[in-house]
Amino acid sequence: GAVVSQHPSRVICKSGTSVKIECRSLDFQATTMFWYRQFPKKSLMLMATSNEGSKATYEQGVEKDKFLINHASLTLSTLTVTSAHPEDSSFYICSAIDRGWKDEQYFGPGTRLTVT
Amino acid sequence: SQKIEQNSEALNIQEGKTATLTCNYTNYSPAYLQWYRQDPGRGPVFLLLIRENEKEKRKERLKVTFDTTLKQSLFHITASQPADSATYLCALEGNTDKLIFGTGTRLQVFP
Repeated sequence: GAVVSQHPSRVICKSGTSVKIECRSLDFQATTMFWYRQFPKKSLMLMATSNEGSKATYEQGVEKDKFLINHASLTLSTLTVTSAHPEDSSFYICSAIDRGWKDEQYFGPGTRLTVT
Repeated sequence: SQKIEQNSEALNIQEGKTATLTCNYTNYSPAYLQWYRQDPGRGPVFLLLIRENEKEKRKERLKVTFDTTLKQSLFHITASQPADSATYLCALEGNTDKLIFGTGTRLQVFP
């Protein structure tokens, strides 16, 4: 099956710094990638939709200047958490779809961000 | 308002029994509904997709039903095993390919 990787799997950063999370589709071209956030024992909340070569579409309540998304190629999307604060600590998960195949989304393993 | 609810936060069953998880939604008209498995600290793994014109879909020990009149999907795991213990999420297509996830049901299968 299709594989999506995320890097890093865990990151600890100091308050005020920025952190970049990478999402890669390893064996297919992802025309669309999604970024989710998940709090402990809660469901996934969609943050934004990232389309290759165009600006990301953010969900209501998600600050686009805080969570910068870049989808520079068909296999890579990045999420940068700028000026991180402790409340940004969460589990961030990306997913990707290949429109040429199915409606199925392939999820990455997630990135645990802790801001101290 | 739009809602997706999974019947219980946690479900405990004995090995060998059938686990049945429920997903109800309101104010959506999804073209399809999906079920995912999520283990602690991991991303969701796709299990099954069922379309609005399909009543039932099976995959090995898994069975999903989709009733668009009741606005409900049932997810069954037959002959459950301790390895089936995980959180199961239903998700439906909102619009423009976006998936909206339910709150999840944590299944625990005891030997």
